[in-house]
Order: sequence, then structure tokens, then C-alpha cells
Amino acid sequence: DGGITQSPKYLFRKEGQNVTLSCEQNLNHDAMYWYRQDPGQGLRLIYYSQIVNDFQKGDIAEGYSVSREKKESFPLTVTSAQKNPTAFYLCASSSVGIADTQYFGPGTRLTVL
Amino acid sequence: AQRVTQPEKLLSVFKGAPVELKCNYSYSGSPELFWYVQYSRQRLQLLLRHISRESIKGFTADLNKGETSFHLKKPFAQEEDSAMYYCALRRTSGSRLTFGEGTQLTVNP
Repeated sequence: DGGITQSPKYLFRKEGQNVTLSCEQNLNHDAMYWYRQDPGQGLRLIYYSQIVNDFQKGDIAEGYSVSREKKESFPLTVTSAQKNPTAFYLCASSSVGIADTQYFGPGTRLTVL
Repeated sequence: AQRVTQPEKLLSVFKGAPVELKCNYSYSGSPELFWYVQYSRQRLQLLLRHISRESIKGFTADLNKGETSFHLKKPFAQEEDSAMYYCALRRTSGSRLTFGEGTQLTVNP
């Protein structure tokens, strides 16, 4: 393990508050991803970025925002517009090309009170 | 749009029995298929990918384009195989993965 870190491990927020989840990688990967993991629904892609200063919406981007100002960092903001934010959030990174296995972080569990 | 389906949410077998985790996909092109595994209290990690055609921890998976399936098999299950398994698909171009819903495998002693 190692290479991708996510913080914090557990996060609690009140309804109506925005919250930012951190994801950092030191693998020199160009691409980074945010997934949401819910029981029985697998992993669903929120946003992804293949290069600095560029990112694309995934399948469930509504209520989320991201930035990619540095290659090693891809923070995710869960906004108050996200109707059901309580979930486990996973960050991943990969190189772009043939050897582009995605490596995952340990995850952040967000609970909205 | 691509889609991955894992029809079994839960699968329970006894140690030493064969195990097969099913994965079906829909995609009009030539996809790349993967199996990822998440052991208890560990990170999600790649188990195997179809282009490698290798056996990892005794698991194999064959891409069947006719049946659009990529089932994961192991002839003799071990207790340490108990985990959540996800099948995933990637299009020929691009880096994003589409995951199935996952199958929780329990291997009983």
C-alpha cells in the first residue's frame, strides 16, 4: 500500500455544508479518479482527470465539484446540492496508456448528520 | 453506453469447492475487462485483466465475446479468498472504468 493517500478517514458534516475530501498521489500518474461506493451499487464514477487543469464528469457528477491544479492532487468537494452524500468515497490514479492499472486509496467515509 | 452486470450479490461456498463469479457486459466495441478485489480492511486492488491471460492466486478469467462474459473461476476455493469482487470494463480508447455491482464471496471452512 502507499502511493495514494486520502484524508480524512472519517468525516461528518451537517446538512447544508460543503465538505472537501483530499486525495494525493506520489506515483507520478497523469490520471486521477473519484468514485462513490454504495452497498449493492458497486463503484460509480463521479469525476476524472487525465491531465492537470482538465477534468471530466463521470456518471454521477451532480452535487460534486473537483479541481486539478497539481498533478499529485485531486480534491473532491461534496456540495450541499448533493441529495444523498452519505457514502464511502474512493480515489484512484493511473498512468495513461497500456500499463494503466488504477491504484486505489484507502477511502473516506462521509456521514451527513 | 457500456454496462457491467454481476448477477450475484452474495456467493457462499465451502473450502475446496470450485467457485465461479459471473460477469456480463454490454459494449458494442472491443472492451478490456478486469477483476478487482477488496479484502476486509484493505484497499481495492487489481486481481487480473483479460489481456494478461494469467492466473493470479489460482483465479482465471476468460473473455467470451460471443456471450459477452468474463466470469472469474477458481477450482478450489480457500478461506482467504473471501472478499468483495468487482468486474470492470474499459473501452478501447480512454482510461475510465465502468464497474459492476460487486459480488461478496464467502468461503466457509
